[in-house]
Amino acid sequence: SQQGEEDPQALSIQEGENATMNCSYKTSINNLQWYRQNSGRGLVHLILIRSNEREKHSGRLRVTLDTSKKSSSLLITASRAADTASYFCATDAAGGTSYGKLTFGQGTILTVHP
Amino acid sequence: EAGVAQSPRYKIIEKRQSVAFWCNPISGHATLYWYQQILGQGPKLLIQFQNNGVVDDSQLPKDRFSAERLKGVDSTLKIQPAKLEDSAVYLCASSSDRLGPRHQPQHFGDGTRLSIL
Repeated sequence: SQQGEEDPQALSIQEGENATMNCSYKTSINNLQWYRQNSGRGLVHLILIRSNEREKHSGRLRVTLDTSKKSSSLLITASRAADTASYFCATDAAGGTSYGKLTFGQGTILTVHP
Repeated sequence: EAGVAQSPRYKIIEKRQSVAFWCNPISGHATLYWYQQILGQGPKLLIQFQNNGVVDDSQLPKDRFSAERLKGVDSTLKIQPAKLEDSAVYLCASSSDRLGPRHQPQHFGDGTRLSIL
């Protein structure tokens, strides 16, 4: 079963607006990662946040992690048409024997209109 | 650095036939992953290699799927015989263990899109 569940399933915004995607998970984690996937392409790593971190920034991306609520959010500021893609959260579960094993959610489809 | 290379990009076969996918990870990456991504879903891990040893294959349908990573570099994933539900994109990813096995981003290839008729 999927560990991470993204919300919303689809998001449509205008260029320049901010986009927020949420991810909830079920078990304790070592880290949580966000990936982007353009249509017909592989996934591209965006940001990794460890379980002892609460917030990370990378360019126009801001990720927060709340381990007490088992949730994370990805904020993309000043969105561009090129940000149109599917976004996935993935969790590295704590206590596992498979180092680096990620469990992906279903993804959020983001459409940014010019 | 060159990215993860996968071939072929597309494959169409009939059910009960066999098919093989090839992956060349980023040079020096010790860990290699094969994922299955069904349309509209997130990737699901099939098998994880550390060098040429299997770390996790708990979700690999072993009655029909097999994978190997000879010499700890390239890898092949095979399906024999294929079923209709195997229609999906098969993604290969690799990661470095340079800073330890955990907290490493994965680098993905563009995948092989498999259609079963």
